Amino acid sequence: DGGITQSPKYLFRKEGQNVTLSCEQNLNHDAMYWYRQDPGQGLRLIYYSQIVNDFQKGDIAEGYSVSREKKESFPLTVTSAQKNPTAFYLCASSISGVEQFFGPGTRLTVL
Amino acid sequence: AQSVTQPDIHITVSEGASLELRCNYSYGATPYLFWYVQSPGQGLQLLLKYFSGDTLVQGIKGFEAEFKRSQSSFNLRKPSVHWSDAAEYFCAVGYILTGGGNKLTFGTGTQLKVEL
Repeated sequence: DGGITQSPKYLFRKEGQNVTLSCEQNLNHDAMYWYRQDPGQGLRLIYYSQIVNDFQKGDIAEGYSVSREKKESFPLTVTSAQKNPTAFYLCASSISGVEQFFGPGTRLTVL
Repeated sequence: AQSVTQPDIHITVSEGASLELRCNYSYGATPYLFWYVQSPGQGLQLLLKYFSGDTLVQGIKGFEAEFKRSQSSFNLRKPSVHWSDAAEYFCAVGYILTGGGNKLTFGTGTQLKVEL
């Protein structure tokens, strides 16, 4: 079945540690996105990538980094520079149109 | 810059009652508009979308939405709510990026509770 997978579903991190969230898609979509979701704030765009080896900052990129070495994969690293990383992280992808398809999400908790 | 307002943070309806969730947007050109639904701890599922044409669009699970340009609104409706509709609903406005892909701006969501 085609879709977007995110792993792990739950992730715990100690303060000061970097952590990487995985996002894989087998939809053959060119564009991929990372969002952060906090209660009462909707979804906010962190980074997006329109093609392999290229990505752009979204609205809240500080403290995050990404790579896009393969079309299918768009991992997100939450660095120690991110002051408040506890949140629900959603990955999405899209083809040439405007509709985005979402993965199941990863909940990151900083201990 | 585009923006989306969902004025109702929480809504409670009785099962079988009708539902309307409000969404207002701000965007300079013809918008692409979406409604997504999210169950707790899950990703977002697309309910329906408006790109152009008929201003009344039908979606999955019996939902519909009407685009009203004069009011900058895209309200979501359902004639008879089922208990399984309890979830969080997000309205979004989007545009296509030069070079491919797109960018969506989301509202803050409306949490729907259904009373049995």
